Amino acid sequence: AQSVTQLDSQVPVFEEAPVELRCNYSSSVSVYLFWYVQYPNQGLQLLLKYLSGSTLVESINGFEAEFNKSQTSFHLRKPSVHISDTAEYFCAHFRGSSNTGKLIFGQGTTLQVKP
Amino acid sequence: DAGVTQSPTHLIKTRGQHVTLRCSPISGHKSVSWYQQVLGQGPQFIFQYYEKEERGRGNFPDRFSARQFPNYSSELNVNALLLGDSALYLCASNFELGADGELFFGEGSRLTVL
Repeated sequence: AQSVTQLDSQVPVFEEAPVELRCNYSSSVSVYLFWYVQYPNQGLQLLLKYLSGSTLVESINGFEAEFNKSQTSFHLRKPSVHISDTAEYFCAHFRGSSNTGKLIFGQGTTLQVKP
Repeated sequence: DAGVTQSPTHLIKTRGQHVTLRCSPISGHKSVSWYQQVLGQGPQFIFQYYEKEERGRGNFPDRFSARQFPNYSSELNVNALLLGDSALYLCASNFELGADGELFFGEGSRLTVL
């Protein structure tokens, strides 16, 4: 059963507008959550992660995500997007232990930033 | 420093054939994982190797196999290819296991099965 759900397959937005990419996870899974970005014809790059501590995590390029335990969500936000943010975004959670583990990915959300 | 490198970048096979994909991890990383990304979907876990031992296997048929060599590079083998095996195959390496161990992905090998 899918334990990470990305609610939007495509999100079109104009440049400099705010954006939110939604991600919900199954409450039974470990609360190690990640956002990855995939630019066209490239591999995945880690954008940000939540392991513990502050529920608000930030990336170096202006994205942030908030871990919300009561709503089982880990939505990704950016107050003002750029054309260069156009990419596929994947929410994921870690399933495993200290000796092994894997990432369970959502279906992905295509962010299309228009001029 | 070189990142995770994969070869070949693109390849075309026909049904029933066999394919070998190769991956070199970041220097110092002892763990390698393989993921399959079908067009329009998120990556799905296939295998994880650490210190040449299999540490995890995803829900894939026995046609899929892998191994890790003493230099920590890895191969993914797929036998008796099916049309549904067409996908981007991603290799990732990490220094530490567990949730703290950030995965670094290669750019993938795009396999097309005709």
